[in-house]
Amino acid sequence: AQSVTQPDIHITVSEGASLELRCNYSYGATPYLFWYVQSPGQGLQLLLKYFSGDTLVQGIKGFEAEFKRSQSSFNLRKPSVHWSDAAEYFCAVGAGDDKIIFGKGTRLHILP
Amino acid sequence: SAVISQKPSRDICQRGTSLTIQCQVDSQVTMMFWYRQQPGQSLTLIATANQGSEATYESGFVIDKFPISRPNLTFSTLTVSNMSPEDSSIYLCSVGARDTQYFGPGTRLTVL
Repeated sequence: AQSVTQPDIHITVSEGASLELRCNYSYGATPYLFWYVQSPGQGLQLLLKYFSGDTLVQGIKGFEAEFKRSQSSFNLRKPSVHWSDAAEYFCAVGAGDDKIIFGKGTRLHILP
Repeated sequence: SAVISQKPSRDICQRGTSLTIQCQVDSQVTMMFWYRQQPGQSLTLIATANQGSEATYESGFVIDKFPISRPNLTFSTLTVSNMSPEDSSIYLCSVGARDTQYFGPGTRLTVL
C-alpha cells in the first residue's frame, strides 16, 4: 500500500539558515510526489510537484525538492529560511486511483 | 490552477445537529475530494465525489454520517450528521487528480 513518512514532527531553524525536511514514500510504480504548506489558519498551498524528468524540482517561495528513487525519498530544501516560512509542511504521494496520500506533516519553527 | 471557495469558513455547532459545508470551484472539474484534518493531525480522505454518481467513501467513513452531493461539475456539499465533539476538525475540499490537487481554504468546525 502507498504511504508517506515524515520522520520529523517538529523542526526548528534560525532565520537565514538552510532547511531540509525529510520525506520517504512507499509506492510500487513511479510516484507523483508533492509538497504542500499550510500556514496557521490557512488552507493548503502546493509548493512543488514531481512526476518525471529532472529529479531536482523547483517550487514557489524559493523551495526545491530532490527525488531519489534509490532512497525512496523526496526531501524539501531551502537555502535560507524567512520568518514567514513558519508553517506545517506536508509531503504527499499521488496514488493509482486518483487519491493523494499525505504524510503526518512537519511543523517548522523559525528562531529570530 | 483552480480557485476553490468553501462556506462556511468556520462554525460552532451543538452536539446532535448537522452541518452542511459547500464547496464551489471556478471551473468545471471531474473529481472533487473531501478531507478531514483533526486537530494537530494530517489530512484524511473522507470520500471522492464524481458528478452523476454516488460518492466513494474511504474505510472508516460512511454515507449516513457524511452524505455528499455533487449536483454539477463546479459544486459539492458535505454534511456532517449527528455531530459529536469528535467531529471537531477542519474539513477541506479539493479538486484534481493524482497528478495535482488544489485545496479550498477549509471549514473549521467546533462541536460543543
